[in-house]
Amino acid sequence: EVQLVESGGGLVQPGGSLRLSCAASGFTFSSYAMSWVRQAPGKGLEWVSTISGNGDDTYYADSVKGRFTISRDNSKHTLYLQMNSLRAEDTAVYYCAKDGNVLVPSWFDPWGQGSLVTVSS
Amino acid sequence: DIQMTQSPSSLSASVGDRVTITCQASQDISNYLNWYQQKPGKAPKLLIYDASNLETGVPSRFSGSGSGTDFTFTISSLQPEDIATYYCQQYDNLPPGFGQGTKLEIK
Repeated sequence: EVQLVESGGGLVQPGGSLRLSCAASGFTFSSYAMSWVRQAPGKGLEWVSTISGNGDDTYYADSVKGRFTISRDNSKHTLYLQMNSLRAEDTAVYYCAKDGNVLVPSWFDPWGQGSLVTVSS
Repeated sequence: DIQMTQSPSSLSASVGDRVTITCQASQDISNYLNWYQQKPGKAPKLLIYDASNLETGVPSRFSGSGSGTDFTFTISSLQPEDIATYYCQQYDNLPPGFGQGTKLEIK
């Protein structure tokens, strides 16, 4: 069974940093791109970032480009999202998701349980 | 960026009803369109990929159709457990974008 378990969320002040992790199991991790998708409270879904299976290619939403960094450790079956210069508008539940192919974003399935990031003073 | 417009934004229907949600892309996206179900407090779940392919394990009352710019998601006979918000998502171009969601309620 494919499982994705996020960790690392919490309360952080504006301008601060946080790193999310997503531990994967139940599939050949390096054979799939992985993505982060977020959902602000009461709002819809927003794609944040995707990394290819071997980690060579990364893609970002304009809203986070230059502030967030996606990475992966295929030996540990773990996906990361380093978030710097956080803003109030980054407050959201962050989901990691397995992508449908190895290289670029396609469909997201399955999703982790989500990790809440709150940016507030 | 490609804009995805879902309609309606909310919908009330009775158990057993046929329910249809539409999703329109601002430009041709071929069949690169997916549908998700999100129940309150839960992560989204993929139901349909590539416009019309039913994800493994998803009940056959769910279906999708369309290509180009106009897509349809259908529940053939609404069940109480189908109460959720449904999202379409395109991946023809970066960034992959979602529709604003359709909240489905039981009448």
